[in-house]
Amino acid sequence: ETGVTQSPTHLIKTRGQQVTLRCSSQSGHNTVSWYQQALGQGPQFIFQYYREEENGRGNFPPRFSGLQFPNYSSELNVNALELDDSALYLCASSPGTGRQPQHFGDGTRLSIL
Amino acid sequence: TQLLEQSPQFLSIQEGENLTVYCNSSSVFSSLQWYRQEPGEGPVLLVTVVTGGEVKKLKRLTFQFGDARKDSSLHITAAQPGDTGLYLCAGESGANNLFFGTGTRLTVIP
Repeated sequence: ETGVTQSPTHLIKTRGQQVTLRCSSQSGHNTVSWYQQALGQGPQFIFQYYREEENGRGNFPPRFSGLQFPNYSSELNVNALELDDSALYLCASSPGTGRQPQHFGDGTRLSIL
Repeated sequence: TQLLEQSPQFLSIQEGENLTVYCNSSSVFSSLQWYRQEPGEGPVLLVTVVTGGEVKKLKRLTFQFGDARKDSSLHITAAQPGDTGLYLCAGESGANNLFFGTGTRLTVIP
């Protein structure tokens, strides 16, 4: 059973640029959630996708957007990058919504210069 | 905003000692999860507690959910260096997302 994989593992961008992060969900999982984890803090919920539709969103601006594909993999897109966007971005998949255990990938470390 | 505060923020103890980590909120959660995260990795789920007053044991780890489902604790008996990591509690409100706590960074010294 393949776990959640994220790519790339590390990324360096400059302010104003755009970035796309990718996540492959665990086999059999149809729900993907994205989190932002700033240094020294707990993860903060960005949004969740269930069967290719957004199914909940945290307190993040519209420049954070996402997609989920028919194979349940997902992308997180961030436009007009700001210095405060520097963080570890975590993807988690689960076999459904609601009270389901989430399986996390190891994240993408994004640094904004 | 539903906030989960964890205490202590940092904890450094000797191997063999016992410890308790607390997770407190003013909000009620339908369930609460505990994760451990190691450097360079994503959080790994340890346990989910659902019922107020529930106690779950995982080897040397004991998890308790408060009666009012607003708080939780994690107790580790006879800590070992392998227990070192960032411990995160996360509450679920039924709105399809998890609210994570601020984390407790535990270091167990051999």
